[in-house]
Amino acid sequence: ILNVEQSPQSLHVQEGDSTNFTCSFPSSNFYALHWYRWETAKSPEALFVMTLNGDEKKKGRISATLNTKEGYSYLYIKGSQPEDSATYLCAFFGGYQKVTFGIGTKLQVIP
Amino acid sequence: DAGVTQSPTHLIKTRGQQVTLRCSPKSGHDTVSWYQQALGQGPQFIFQYYEEEERQRGNFPDRFSGHQFPNYSSELNVNALLLGDSALYLCASSLWGTGSYEQYFGPGTRLTVT
Repeated sequence: ILNVEQSPQSLHVQEGDSTNFTCSFPSSNFYALHWYRWETAKSPEALFVMTLNGDEKKKGRISATLNTKEGYSYLYIKGSQPEDSATYLCAFFGGYQKVTFGIGTKLQVIP
Repeated sequence: DAGVTQSPTHLIKTRGQQVTLRCSPKSGHDTVSWYQQALGQGPQFIFQYYEEEERQRGNFPDRFSGHQFPNYSSELNVNALLLGDSALYLCASSLWGTGSYEQYFGPGTRLTVT
């Protein structure tokens, strides 16, 4: 059983604050790391698909970095807005199409 | 372009019964994966179908079975339901052979077993 851990499990921030979460995964047999945003009653939405050590991806105010040698990825949100409130999931692909999800970080942005 | 669709949205079954959940992939996708998300956990991989065959399977008992049709849509069947099968079942579609495994999720089917 692969261990994919996300921290923190929940987070409350004020509107305008910047924040970041961590996803830790095994450092061997790395194929890909995905970040998803999952709003209540909606489908999980892919934010980033990361495949190379040192990858840095950005989409608007959200960015992510990847370190496959030490087995972690960070997701950053700059200037949090209420619409950023969601659960952020990471998914580790560690073998041929085998995937393990973390438990998620639930973010609440307070107006 | 329709994304991934799942039916039904909600379902209530009794312990011991059987259930079938359905998924239509995003247009152009040929691979369907199924996940179970129990309360307080991340989604857990059940299995994946491509070319109408099960290609990968997670740690789920044989009570969980599936099927993929020539139009790439898929069904998840669960026999002899247990209370512990109550969960959100997610379907995701992707294109086979892409190195990044990019996938698109449906909204899920909420199964309650009483």
